[in-house]
Amino acid sequence: DAKTTQPPSMDCAEGRAANLPCNHSTISGNEYVYWYRQIHSQGPQYIIHGLKNNETNEMASLIITEDRKSSTLILPHATLRDTAVYYCIVRVAGNAGNMLTFGGGTRLMVKP
Amino acid sequence: DVKVTQSSRYLVKRTGEKVFLECVQDMDHENMFWYRQDPGLGLRLIYFSYDVKMKEKGDIPEGYSVSREKKERFSLILESASTNQTSMYLCASRLKREGPRSGELFFGEGSRLTVL
Repeated sequence: DAKTTQPPSMDCAEGRAANLPCNHSTISGNEYVYWYRQIHSQGPQYIIHGLKNNETNEMASLIITEDRKSSTLILPHATLRDTAVYYCIVRVAGNAGNMLTFGGGTRLMVKP
Repeated sequence: DVKVTQSSRYLVKRTGEKVFLECVQDMDHENMFWYRQDPGLGLRLIYFSYDVKMKEKGDIPEGYSVSREKKERFSLILESASTNQTSMYLCASRLKREGPRSGELFFGEGSRLTVL
């Protein structure tokens, strides 16, 4: 799997958009980008995934650059409950034995 | 919603004790996983199971075993607990074995084990 690079921490004001970047410059054509988050003392929670098109669901939007070397997770109106560690993971989706590898992630602090 | 339930949120055990961590999921998922999470080391895969009575070693299986007698239940066993097994243990399940959704895992809330 391609390696990902994320900033270790970010702050965001409550009610504003939180934009979390992820670099994956060695991504290959069949690798998907997955995002998870982990709120303190809880298990990770799946947020969204994408291949090359932008994706949106009820939790967030995922913007993947045209060259697929980076992506941004957008929480459009961050709340205090969005304070968590956010993980960007790149993985070949078709391989059942290919497990998720969680790196260090970005610690997002949403402030009032 | 998928619910993955881990039997104990907090456990304290003594060195040498046998420890059982239980995990139950209610969505008929075939695949289940056990991870441990330690500061600075991220999540590391211990064991996983594709189906009933099947098990596969993950990245750090030493000192652990697992049992999958029923589809909904996946147990992690520490035969003789040691202090270096003090950790947060996370169970997960997934619906799809292949394809894009095979990266969509549902996690339990975790079991924090302290071995004295």
